[in-house]
Amino acid sequence: GDSVTQMEGPVTLSEEAFLTINCTYTATGYPSLFWYVQYPGEGLQLLLKATKADDKGSNKGFEATYRKETTSFHLEKGSVQVSDSAVYFCALGDSSYKLIFGSGTRLLVRP
Amino acid sequence: GAVVSQHPSWVICKSGTSVKIECRSLDFQATTMFWYRQFPKQSLMLMATSNEGSKATYEQGVEKDKFLINHASLTLSTLTVTSAHPEDSSFYICSAQPYRGDLFDEQFFGPGTRLTVL
Repeated sequence: GDSVTQMEGPVTLSEEAFLTINCTYTATGYPSLFWYVQYPGEGLQLLLKATKADDKGSNKGFEATYRKETTSFHLEKGSVQVSDSAVYFCALGDSSYKLIFGSGTRLLVRP
Repeated sequence: GAVVSQHPSWVICKSGTSVKIECRSLDFQATTMFWYRQFPKQSLMLMATSNEGSKATYEQGVEKDKFLINHASLTLSTLTVTSAHPEDSSFYICSAQPYRGDLFDEQFFGPGTRLTVL
C-alpha cells in the first residue's frame, strides 16, 4: 500500500541555518503531497502542498518540490528561525482522498 | 478561523471503563471529520472517516465496536473508546473538512487527546 518515509529527528540547527527534511513516498497513481507542521500544544497545520509532478509548494519561506522520478518531496528553508521549532509531517493524499502520514520530524532551532 | 477543538486534552481511566472524546469545529461546518491515532514516534494512523448523519467508515483493522464514532451535527463528532484497555492508550487526533465542493480540500486538525488506560 501507499506509504511515506521521512527522516528521523530530532534535527537541531542554529538560527539562520539551512534546513532540509527528507521525505520519500511509495504510491500507486499520482498522489497529492503535503507538509504539515505541529507547533507545541497545537493541532497540525497545513504548511504547503503540491498536486502534480514538478509542482513546487511554498509558504513562510519553506519550499518543497514534487519529484516523481525520485518519489520525493523534501522540505527546505534557507534560513530557519527559533519560531520554526516544531514537528513536521510529510503526507500524501491517496486515491481515495485520505491522508497517509510520515512519522514526523522534530526540528529544534537554537538561538 | 478554521479552529478545531478537542475535549478533553488528556484523560486517565481504569481498564474496562469507556471514554468519550469530543471534536468540534468552532467556526465552520464540517461535513466530514476524521479520527487518527498516533503512537509515540510513529505516524498518524487514520482510524475512521465520519460524515454527518451517516455511519462512520472504519479503516481495516479498526474495531468498530470498540471505537464508536458519532457525527451527530455539522460541528461535532465524538469518539467513544469502549471497555478501554492499556493497549488503547494513545494520542487521538481529529480533523475536520469543510464543505467546499472539493474532495481533497484542506483538513483542519484538533490539538489531540492523550488517553492513558491504567
